[in-house]
Amino acid sequence: AQSVTQLGSHVSVSEGALVLLRCNYSSSVPPYLFWYVQYPNQGLQLLLKYTSAATLVKGINGFEAEFKKSETSFHLTKPSAHMSDAAEYFCAVSPTGGGNKLTFGTGTQLKVEL
Amino acid sequence: EPEVTQTPSHQVTQMGQEVILRCVPISNHLYFYWYRQILGQKVEFLVSFYNNEISEKSEIFDDQFSVERPDGSNFTLKIRSTKLEDSAMYFCASSEGQAYGYTFGSGTRLTVV
Repeated sequence: AQSVTQLGSHVSVSEGALVLLRCNYSSSVPPYLFWYVQYPNQGLQLLLKYTSAATLVKGINGFEAEFKKSETSFHLTKPSAHMSDAAEYFCAVSPTGGGNKLTFGTGTQLKVEL
Repeated sequence: EPEVTQTPSHQVTQMGQEVILRCVPISNHLYFYWYRQILGQKVEFLVSFYNNEISEKSEIFDDQFSVERPDGSNFTLKIRSTKLEDSAMYFCASSEGQAYGYTFGSGTRLTVV
């Protein structure tokens, strides 16, 4: 079964600093990978997705992620954190061939400090 | 931008009662899903629905749960006899296909007392 592991349940950065949220996947073949953001008391918003095209994926709000097959990783980055980025971030995986459910990681709570 | 709409946003119910959570997926989407998130835990898959039938379900989705697409627009999740442990945020999602990503609704917070 496919799964994702998010390292660090809580990450704290200063405003203007680099954001790096880690996600590693487990799959026998490269899957589809997604990052979602959840603001307090809201639903899940798609930030970006990897679907076998370019390995560097750009998303909304200045976020991007790079698919690295050799490292089975799909880390999320943003060059300069903003206070409005404070939220919970979920990495998710879906198989490419048959069966299309999303399996989520445990989430990383991002805190942005002045 | 098209949205997935869920109603109600909050539902409080007595243990043992039936609840129906409602969702209006994006109109041209073909795949529909229910997920749940117990407070402080990760988002868990419940069921996927395609071509008017369940395509996959998790072990959580037992006989107490059912889904329906009663007309061309609504997608419902029914819990027949609620338990305390059913208290969670329930998210509906829809998709044109997995490569396109999934659009989630804002969720229904279900509290069983």
